[in-house]
Amino acid sequence: GALVYQYPRRTICKSGTSMRMECQAVGFQATSVAWYRQSPQKTFELIALSTVNSAIKYEQNFTQEKFPISHPNLSFSSMTVLNAYLEDRGLYLCGARDRQGGTGQLYFGEGSKLTVL
Amino acid sequence: GQQVQQSPASLVLQEGENAELQCNFSSTATQLQWFYQSPGGSLVSLLSNPSGTKHTGRLTSTTVTKERRSSLHISSSQTTDSGTYLCAIVYNQGKLIFGQGTKLSIKP
Repeated sequence: GALVYQYPRRTICKSGTSMRMECQAVGFQATSVAWYRQSPQKTFELIALSTVNSAIKYEQNFTQEKFPISHPNLSFSSMTVLNAYLEDRGLYLCGARDRQGGTGQLYFGEGSKLTVL
Repeated sequence: GQQVQQSPASLVLQEGENAELQCNFSSTATQLQWFYQSPGGSLVSLLSNPSGTKHTGRLTSTTVTKERRSSLHISSSQTTDSGTYLCAIVYNQGKLIFGQGTKLSIKP
């Protein structure tokens, strides 16, 4: 079956340090990968959408300089939270589709929870 | 911008009762999905229902696209159903907009 593995599941980092999280698609080709963040007491908000062979599109309030994303092939994506501070804490989720344009089945990883001290 | 509103914000029921969750959205979505987030935080896709009625197990979702609303009915609730139920619409190249969720607590 199709699965998305996301790791690490939990990370604790000091303020000002960086944290990298990875997303691995198994059983399907991740044509598009979206990264979301759920801050404490809030719902999920889209950080960026990455489609193979297209530029990564960041949402307002999120930048490549802060959240660089790599999507080198159809099975892997990574995102780094650079210079993490308290406001960056939350659950980061990757969601992958096997087709472009919003069609196709959507698979989510289990999330990477970031705690910033 | 696009908006997704869910109600109620929280719901407490006794085991065996039925739960009815509502989702209203501000634009015609290409897809509408219901998710379950466990108390531990992991997210599971429950149903994709852009229009009409869909069933899976004890879950029934009815979406009326013209009226921009969807509901999720959970029959014979169990304590393991406790968690947060999120409604999300898909638009513009696969982006999801999530509602704030309904926190469901099922008491034994």
